Amino acid sequence: AQTVTQSQPEMSVQEAETVTLSCTYDTSESDYYLFWYKQPPSRQMILVIRQEAYKQQNATENRFSVNFQKAAKSFSLKISDSQLGDAAMYFCAYRPPGGATNKLIFGTGTLLAVQP
Amino acid sequence: KAGVTQTPRYLIKTRGQQVTLSCSPISGHRSVSWYQQTPGQGLQFLFEYFSETQRNKGNFPGRFSGRQFSNSRSEMNVSTLELGDSALYLCASSTLAGGRNEQYFGPGTRLTVT
Repeated sequence: AQTVTQSQPEMSVQEAETVTLSCTYDTSESDYYLFWYKQPPSRQMILVIRQEAYKQQNATENRFSVNFQKAAKSFSLKISDSQLGDAAMYFCAYRPPGGATNKLIFGTGTLLAVQP
Repeated sequence: KAGVTQTPRYLIKTRGQQVTLSCSPISGHRSVSWYQQTPGQGLQFLFEYFSETQRNKGNFPGRFSGRQFSNSRSEMNVSTLELGDSALYLCASSTLAGGRNEQYFGPGTRLTVT
């Protein structure tokens, strides 16, 4: 069964600094999708960044980038120039291959605090 | 465009009762997925619907059921509520199913079972 592991329950970063959140996953598939979602306190979950497994190039979205290591089954999120608004729970998620499902398998989340 | 809406936002029920939660997807979205979020189990996939058909179901007992209407709105029902069903229930919608397709989440329904 596919699983997603986030080994850092909580992280803290100073404003304007860089932080990396870790995620590992387990799958026997070769083609799949990986996502990072952000869930601010009492607010809706939103997509931060996504990565297709068949793409070697790491995805980037403004201050957010990933380090995708397919062989190691690792998918970490780097947040540069951290801002107070980045404080939230971050979930790593895996989507199985196949065109007919939106099912996501989530990790347990990392609670990120941003210190002013 | 209005986002995903879920009603009610908060609900308190008694053990043994049943409950129905509603999700209205973003206009034009045909896929709706449901997730249960608890502190102990995290986010777990319940089921998903596409064009009124259940495409996938998570590992939940038969007390959990759902459906999707022709206007893409979806409901989920939990019968014979147990204390362990207390959770935040999230709905997500998207235009299509699968691939790199982005899902948009609603604010959730906070269910408390006493």
